[in-house]
Amino acid sequence: NAGVTQTPKFQVLKTGQSMTLQCAQDMNHNSMYWYRQDPGMGLRLIYYSASEGTTDKGEVPNGYNVSRLNKREFSLRLESAAPSQTSVYFCASRYRGEDTQYFGPGTRLTVL
Amino acid sequence: KQEVTQIPAALSVPEGENLVLNCSFTDSAIYNLQWFRQDPGKGLTSLLLIQSSQREQTSGRLNASLDKSSGRSTLYIAASQPGDSATYLCAWRGGSEKLVFGKGMKLTVNP
Repeated sequence: NAGVTQTPKFQVLKTGQSMTLQCAQDMNHNSMYWYRQDPGMGLRLIYYSASEGTTDKGEVPNGYNVSRLNKREFSLRLESAAPSQTSVYFCASRYRGEDTQYFGPGTRLTVL
Repeated sequence: KQEVTQIPAALSVPEGENLVLNCSFTDSAIYNLQWFRQDPGKGLTSLLLIQSSQREQTSGRLNASLDKSSGRSTLYIAASQPGDSATYLCAWRGGSEKLVFGKGMKLTVNP
């Protein structure tokens, strides 16, 4: 039982490049989330998916797109990366009927 | 806009002390409050979750309380150990999926 896994662990992009951050969970959870963590700002919700086939915007969705590929996987895409998107990105998941969110180890993204 | 505040931002204590970590929130329409631990370079680990109908939750040396009327939650760590050194975050949840996080408190427990 790996929990929540994220790939890659580290990534460096140039401004304007695109990339997709991958997240998968093997706990049969219904809801999945993408957060970013910035110094002095705390964690902020980018997008979430309450169930397979649905996605909703969080607090800071601009510049990002998401795909809930199936119940296990939830990806985050940066179409044209900007230096302001330099951050640590965390994926989380939650089982319907429970409130605890379980977090992945994070992806450290630097945009030059 | 909901705000969650954790003061102080950092705390350094000798081993063995009993600690109180504070979390305050502005919106009393709370659904639950969750305390997390984050080790350097790692993800978040859930420690305790308190529902709005509860006053406190306990797990081992940890005890978390919730006072909705004053907009405060407290995490109590008994007999602190060097292994408790980490950043502790609290997160408020209202009626939606969104968690609102505090900026965290970095705890250092010195041997």
